[in-house]
Amino acid sequence: DAKTTQPTSMDCAEGRAANLPCNHSTISGNEYVYWYRQIHSQGPQYIIHGLKNNETNEMASLIITEDRKSSTLILPHATLRDTAVYYCIGRPTNFGNEKLTFGTGTRLTIIP
Amino acid sequence: GAVVSQHPSWVICKSGTSVKIECRSLDFQATTMFWYRQFPKQSLMLMATSNEGSKATYEQGVEKDKFLINHASLTLSTLTVTSAHPEDSSFYICSARDRQLGGNTIYFGEGSWLTVV
Repeated sequence: DAKTTQPTSMDCAEGRAANLPCNHSTISGNEYVYWYRQIHSQGPQYIIHGLKNNETNEMASLIITEDRKSSTLILPHATLRDTAVYYCIGRPTNFGNEKLTFGTGTRLTIIP
Repeated sequence: GAVVSQHPSWVICKSGTSVKIECRSLDFQATTMFWYRQFPKQSLMLMATSNEGSKATYEQGVEKDKFLINHASLTLSTLTVTSAHPEDSSFYICSARDRQLGGNTIYFGEGSWLTVV
């Protein structure tokens, strides 16, 4: 799995867009970029994933650079409930690999 | 989306006793589940891979005789912490992938807090 690097912590004002960066310069062509978040004392929650193209779902948008060496998770209108630790993970595309390696993630705090 | 459930959510046990944690895939079958451990203010660390109908695969440094894993059906994996000690107190989390949906997303359980006193 590709090693990912994320800022340790970030703050964002409530109602604003939260932009969480992730560097994955060693990612290979067959690795997805996955984002999970973990709210305090809960299991990780899946947010979004992508391979090459930008992706959007009801929770967030994922912007992947053309060289795939970095990506940004965007929470368009952050709420207090978005306060959590956000993990960016590289994961091979072959369906046999379901093992995820978690880094330290970014602790996002939404400020009222 | 697919749901993975753990039970109990929290448990307190005495040193030297054993405690079992269950991980269930509620609306899908999972031939493989994963067990993680998380200490306070740290990231998740993979402990082992639970394989339905066969032996679990343990990560380096994880004692297989202390953390017994059983995956007897396609919807249930159990983790038993044997002869628990206070240093085993942690947040234990399982995960599984819903192959039936044809997707590639892994879902996590709510986690189980273990406190050994």
